[in-house]
Amino acid sequence: AQSVSQHNHHVILSEAASLELGCNYSYGGTVNLFWYVQYPGQHLQLLLKYFSGDPLVKGIKGFEAEFIKSKFSFNLRKPSVQWSDTAEYFCAVPTGAGSYQLTFGKGTKLSVIP
Amino acid sequence: GAGVSQSPSNKVTEKGKDVELRCDPISGHTALYWYRQSLGQGLEFLIYFQGNSAPDKSGLPSDRFSAERTGGSVSTLTIQRTQQEDSAVYLCASSSAWASYNEQFFGPGTRLTVL
Repeated sequence: AQSVSQHNHHVILSEAASLELGCNYSYGGTVNLFWYVQYPGQHLQLLLKYFSGDPLVKGIKGFEAEFIKSKFSFNLRKPSVQWSDTAEYFCAVPTGAGSYQLTFGKGTKLSVIP
Repeated sequence: GAGVSQSPSNKVTEKGKDVELRCDPISGHTALYWYRQSLGQGLEFLIYFQGNSAPDKSGLPSDRFSAERTGGSVSTLTIQRTQQEDSAVYLCASSSAWASYNEQFFGPGTRLTVL
């Protein structure tokens, strides 16, 4: 079954630093990929998604991700982080017989130091 | 518009008791999902409802877990004879229709603590 892995468990950055969080999925073919974010005390919300077309996907709050099929990767990037980006970030892929359930990575906790 | 709502926000129960968790999806959303978020296991899929079709229960961890969706809207997740390992945040999500690229909108969750 399709799965995703996130290699960074906890990332600590200073404000204005650049961010890249890794996400790798397990096998090729047609794939849809998502990044969700969970801010402290808030519910999960969608940052961005890829399902076809341009492999560089723009999301909310200045985030972007690049789908690289040859590397099975969908890394999340932001050129300059802010304290308000402190959150937990989850990569996800649809799986299951009908491809409707999301399988999530373990998550990466980002702490941004002012 | 209103998002996905869940109640209660917190539930503390004693081992062996039954609990019911409620989810109100976004109006008009035909697909509804339950997930569980725990420290050890991360986010896990539990069950999926789509319209009037039979639900996909493949993610339910044991037969103590069940869920129903009445009138294609509100859903209730029931855990019978709760165990300490059931302690987790139970998340509900909904989407406008089934498609693997559709965004799932999540509720705030119910934090369940089994003593």
